[in-house]
Amino acid sequence: DARVTQTPRHKVTEMGQEVTMRCQPILGHNTVFWYRQTMMQGLELLAYFRNRAPLDDSGMPKDRFSAEMPDATLATLKIQPSEPRDSAVYFCASGPSRSGNTIYFGEGSWLTVV
Amino acid sequence: AQSVTQLGSHVSVSEGALVLLRCNYSSSVPPYLFWYVQYPNQGLQLLLKYTSAATLVKGINGFEAEFKKSETSFHLTKPSAHMSDAAEYFCAVSEGSASKIIFGSGTRLSIRP
Repeated sequence: DARVTQTPRHKVTEMGQEVTMRCQPILGHNTVFWYRQTMMQGLELLAYFRNRAPLDDSGMPKDRFSAEMPDATLATLKIQPSEPRDSAVYFCASGPSRSGNTIYFGEGSWLTVV
Repeated sequence: AQSVTQLGSHVSVSEGALVLLRCNYSSSVPPYLFWYVQYPNQGLQLLLKYTSAATLVKGINGFEAEFKKSETSFHLTKPSAHMSDAAEYFCAVSEGSASKIIFGSGTRLSIRP
């Protein structure tokens, strides 16, 4: 059963530490999305990639966040340094490249920065 | 730029009653529209999607939605609510070939026994 895999599922870290979240998209999907979910802001699009190239990362704070796709099977989202306001659930989703196609979500990485 | 507005952050209905969750969209081109559901501590799952075919779209678990261009709406309905429908529901829009998908703020559906 194909699915998007995210690690870690849960992470508690201290303010100022580096956090790296990883995502393995569904095999054959060439579009990858990173979303952040909080109670206050809802589901925000941080960045997305097609064929490993970033198409839009305007939703991502550039000073501390970075997103990459080192290869087609791995997407990473890094926060350095982390702050308490980064506490949220970070979702990765993948899908085919044609507009309107369904995207499939991972189960999320629950981040708490203390 | 595309956007969606979900009216009502929380909707409560009795078991067996009609479910109606509202979504209005803004798009500069004919949109693709989606409803996703999120159960506690899980990711989002697709309920249904509109991609310019039939305006009435049927999804899983007895849900359906109707695309109304004149009203820029894509409301989600289910004739009879079940306790297992309690979850958060998100409307989303996509336009153009870039496949950027923007989600609404979500509506939490509660079901009263």
